[in-house]
Amino acid sequence: DAGVIQSPRHEVTEMGQEVTLRCKPISGHDYLFWYRQTMMRGLELLIYFNNNVPIDDSGMPEDRFSAKMPNASFSTLKIQPSEPRDSAVYFCASSLWSGGAEQYFGPGTRLTVT
Amino acid sequence: AQKVTQAQTEISVVEKEDVTLDCVYETRDTTYYLFWYKQPPSGELVFLIRRNSFDEQNEISGRYSWNFQKSTSSFNFTITASQVVDSAVYFCALSGNTGGFKTIFGAGTRLFVKA
Repeated sequence: DAGVIQSPRHEVTEMGQEVTLRCKPISGHDYLFWYRQTMMRGLELLIYFNNNVPIDDSGMPEDRFSAKMPNASFSTLKIQPSEPRDSAVYFCASSLWSGGAEQYFGPGTRLTVT
Repeated sequence: AQKVTQAQTEISVVEKEDVTLDCVYETRDTTYYLFWYKQPPSGELVFLIRRNSFDEQNEISGRYSWNFQKSTSSFNFTITASQVVDSAVYFCALSGNTGGFKTIFGAGTRLFVKA
């Protein structure tokens, strides 16, 4: 079975540009999570969805960040405009049910904003 | 508030040594789950184990074992006879009902296993 798929794997962009990260969860998983990983802050939960509905976006750093899940097999995380401090690895993960279930992570997108 | 502390930032061992990774958690929830994840150099986090708060039974899986003690709020992870392929960053994580079962990750412990 395919795991969580993320694209692109690497993204280099200039400050001020729009960045869109994409995720395809494991089929049948009801929950989808977006995380950001940096050396300074570790692994942070940005937002999570249940059955395509955003449940908690309290981790989204600011209005420049937005996430959508138009259907059960696709989600996007958008940063507009991007800033150098957004440079990080962004992970998407999915799980069968809520917090008590293990999460399956994608390979991540390494974002560099110059 | 929920918190996960992994006090060991980095550990270096020689192959075949046993190594224990410490994890201490804080929560006021009566129902919660604890996890360990492995992040190898390739970068993808891999789930290793989940325990719920009502099950303190220790678990062994091959060279891996986990010791869950509610009395000390600890969920430690031991690798027996370590191998070079065990080199990775290991994360302990917690999710509880008060926090809406959001998963809180510790800072991670980087394990180096030298040949």
